[in-house]
Amino acid sequence: DAGVTQSPTHLIKTRGQQVTLRCSPKSGHDTVSWYQQALGQGPQFIFQYYEEEERQRGNFPDRFSGHQFPNYSSELNVNALLLGDSALYLCASSAQTGYSTDTQYFGPGTRLTVL
Amino acid sequence: DAKTTQPPSMDCAEGRAANLPCNHSTISGNEYVYWYRQIHSQGPQYIIHGLKNNETNEMASLIITEDRKSSTLILPHATLRDTAVYYCIAHLTDSWGKLQFGAGTQVVVTP
Repeated sequence: DAGVTQSPTHLIKTRGQQVTLRCSPKSGHDTVSWYQQALGQGPQFIFQYYEEEERQRGNFPDRFSGHQFPNYSSELNVNALLLGDSALYLCASSAQTGYSTDTQYFGPGTRLTVL
Repeated sequence: DAKTTQPPSMDCAEGRAANLPCNHSTISGNEYVYWYRQIHSQGPQYIIHGLKNNETNEMASLIITEDRKSSTLILPHATLRDTAVYYCIAHLTDSWGKLQFGAGTQVVVTP
């Protein structure tokens, strides 16, 4: 059973560019959450997708957007990249059970470097 | 979600039990205590979670005090591969899943 997968593993971009990161959830999971982890800090919640809609968002600007596809996979898009966007981007998947969200399982992350 | 407090670092000898404390004095009755760990530059790995009762799985044991204001994660026989940052999170599972990570505890297992 494959766990959460993310692509690419590493990415280098320059300021002002746009980037798309991809995530495939664990089998049987229908909810995807994205986190940003700057060096030396804990992961910070960006947003969560369920039923192809963003249903919760952290304190991130509109430059950060996402999408969830019918097969539950997800993309994170970041526009107008800033140097401060350099971070490890983590995807976590979980299953929705009634009104509760079960345990989140994380992927290996995508390391984004903005020059 | 309630805020948690953990020591910034701790050392443990290989083969000994590692006891990682976490304070969550403002935890509400329906918030679970979750533990994750993160080995350098990898994604966080789920370890265990519990509400009131003590829990044990193949990785660790979780001891929650009766008043639920603190908990301890126990790694029974630490190995070098257990060196990681350990995060304790108080989490409301019907809050749609936003996990609030703190700084965690850097655990170093030494030979």
